[in-house]
Amino acid sequence: QVQLVESGGGVVQPGGSLRLSCAASGFTFNNYVMHWVRQAPGKGLEWVTFIRSDGSKSDYADSVKGRFTISRDNSNNTLYLQMNSLRLEDTAIYYCAKDRRAEHYFDHWGPGTLVTVSS
Amino acid sequence: DIQMTQSPSSLSASVGDRITITCRASQSISSYLTWYQFKPGKAPKLLMYAALSLQTGVPSRFSGSESGTNFTLTISNLQPEDFATYYCQQSYRTPLTFGGGTKVEI
Repeated sequence: QVQLVESGGGVVQPGGSLRLSCAASGFTFNNYVMHWVRQAPGKGLEWVTFIRSDGSKSDYADSVKGRFTISRDNSNNTLYLQMNSLRLEDTAIYYCAKDRRAEHYFDHWGPGTLVTVSS
Repeated sequence: DIQMTQSPSSLSASVGDRITITCRASQSISSYLTWYQFKPGKAPKLLMYAALSLQTGVPSRFSGSESGTNFTLTISNLQPEDFATYYCQQSYRTPLTFGGGTKVEI
């Protein structure tokens, strides 16, 4: 069955960097668009970024553009999110999500990893 | 950006009830509307996509409808496992956006 497991979350100071990983299994990873979605404490959901199956194209929310970079390693079935210049408002649970059919909605999610930006 | 307005933000219900959650898009999104269920400590779950289509494995007591830019999720015969938070999401264009969520409580 499809499994997505995020890792790499933790506490970081404002201005710092963190790299999240998402290990995927149970499906042909290199056939699917992948996304990151986040949820700040007590807040709603915010889509962060997506990457095409072959890594050829990505897009970002304006709130992270220029600071976050999504990438993937199809040989190791792993999705990444490099987060630089972190701000207090980036504090959130970060979910990795699989696109159902390149239609930009998500048929499987990971349980999430918590990123806390705090001084 | 397309704004998704979801209501109510919370509701109280009992087992066996029929409840309806509404999501309104700020512009036309065709049928590019998805519903998810969130429970604390668990991976979120896809319920419905393309406004009306039930995801495989989701009970038939969940249903969706659409009228223009207004979309609804209906849960008939509410079960204990349905107490959760529900979100809508538009996939018409990026940035993908979500409704504010509806917490269904006993």
